[in-house]
Formats: sequence, C-alpha cells, structure tokens
Amino acid sequence: QSALTQPPSASGSPGQSVTISCTGTSSDVGTYDFVSWYQQYPGKAPKLIIYEVNQRPSGVPDRFSGSKSGNTASLTVSGLQADDDADYFCSSYTGSNNLAVFGGGTKLTVL
Amino acid sequence: EVQLVESGGDLVQPGGSLRLSCAASGITFSDAWMTWVRQVPGKGLEWVGRIKNKVNGESAAYAEAVQGRFTISRDDSKNTVYLQMYSLKTDDTAVYYCTIGYCTSSGDCHYDDAFHFWGQGTMVTVSS
Repeated sequence: QSALTQPPSASGSPGQSVTISCTGTSSDVGTYDFVSWYQQYPGKAPKLIIYEVNQRPSGVPDRFSGSKSGNTASLTVSGLQADDDADYFCSSYTGSNNLAVFGGGTKLTVL
Repeated sequence: EVQLVESGGDLVQPGGSLRLSCAASGITFSDAWMTWVRQVPGKGLEWVGRIKNKVNGESAAYAEAVQGRFTISRDDSKNTVYLQMYSLKTDDTAVYYCTIGYCTSSGDCHYDDAFHFWGQGTMVTVSS
C-alpha cells in the first residue's frame, strides 16, 4: 500500500488560511470516509485533530476543518496562529491488509 | 487521564529480535483495540499492526512490511500490549508508538481509522 501524497511544505501568515491536500487512491481515500489528520510538533507524538473526514475531537478548535473530494482529502487551518507551526499528517482507512495508510507529512510554517 | 507508556526500544543487530511493551492507564484496557505505528525520525508515519480486544477474539492484523516477522499480543491483567519483533531489518529502524482509537461520547469507536491517544514512543535502531 503506497503512502498518501501530501505536499512537503505549506505556509501562511498569522490570520490567513492554509489548505493542505492529501491524495490517495480509489482503494483508500476515494472509497472510505475515514480520513483523519494529525498535528505533530518536533519530538512529540502526533495529535488527532480531524477524524471521519471532517469531524473534530473534543477540544480541537474549529479553525481546523476537513473535507474530501474524490481521491483527495484536505485540511484547512483558518486564522493561522503561531502554534499551528507544525507537521501535519493525513491517514485513511484502507480495508486491506494494511488497515491504515498515512501521508508523508506537510510542514506548515507560520510566517 | 489516559496514559500510554512504551518501553523496550534498543539498538539491535540485523536479524535480531526485540520485544516492545506499552502499558496503558486511564482506560478500560480490556475494551480497547491497540495499534502500533512507527515513524522514521523526520519522516512519515507507518501503520504497523493492531490487536482487537478479547471479545473480538484478540485477532491481529499486520502491515505487509512486517507480516510474518512481528507479532502483537496483549495481557489485559497487566493493561499491556506487546510488539514482538523478529528478523529485524535496517528498514525497521524507527520510533514505535502504541495508540488507541478515538471514541465519541456516544460510544462510537474508531479503532482502525483515527488514533487518539499516543504514547511517547520508543526508539528501535537496527544496525550492525
């Protein structure tokens, strides 16, 4: 199972919005509405910020939103803040032997 | 507060074996399906495998990259899940995390598609 494809980097100024894409295939993102997104700071464990394409776990600000169209999922971070500067990973359920597949990660820089 | 604490990471030679442990607290461990995810430092995440709870037969699933070499088991009396690794390769070098899926307040649990609680990770280095 190939990893999902994410852009290696993204950036935006405080207050702006940034969208990060996550492209899979018809075997994962295109078939299942089980896409999740994670935020990770250096040296720390990932944190779940979006599940089931567009659902936020309790405690995650509504500045984070998710969507999906076809084989591509997207994470939008609105009203960028300094502490949004982190790595972001997407993941999709696959239903195959490799139950979940992750993206390579996107480094979001808040300018 | 949910806590997951991994241990057992070490430097091991290619072809060697290692067993990782993950001790959980703050949850009803016997209900949880436990997943292992690994990450090469500075790189992406990779799903390694998952074990269901006893009610679901404790069945395990593995990534193709580790199938036949890694085994996941659990001891509910110790609130601990294990990752036994055999025939280690240099490509297995990574930080290994144990995780638990996300459960909504209504009890809808996403064990295989949304990883909510994570440990701090334990480093496995395979090198001669």
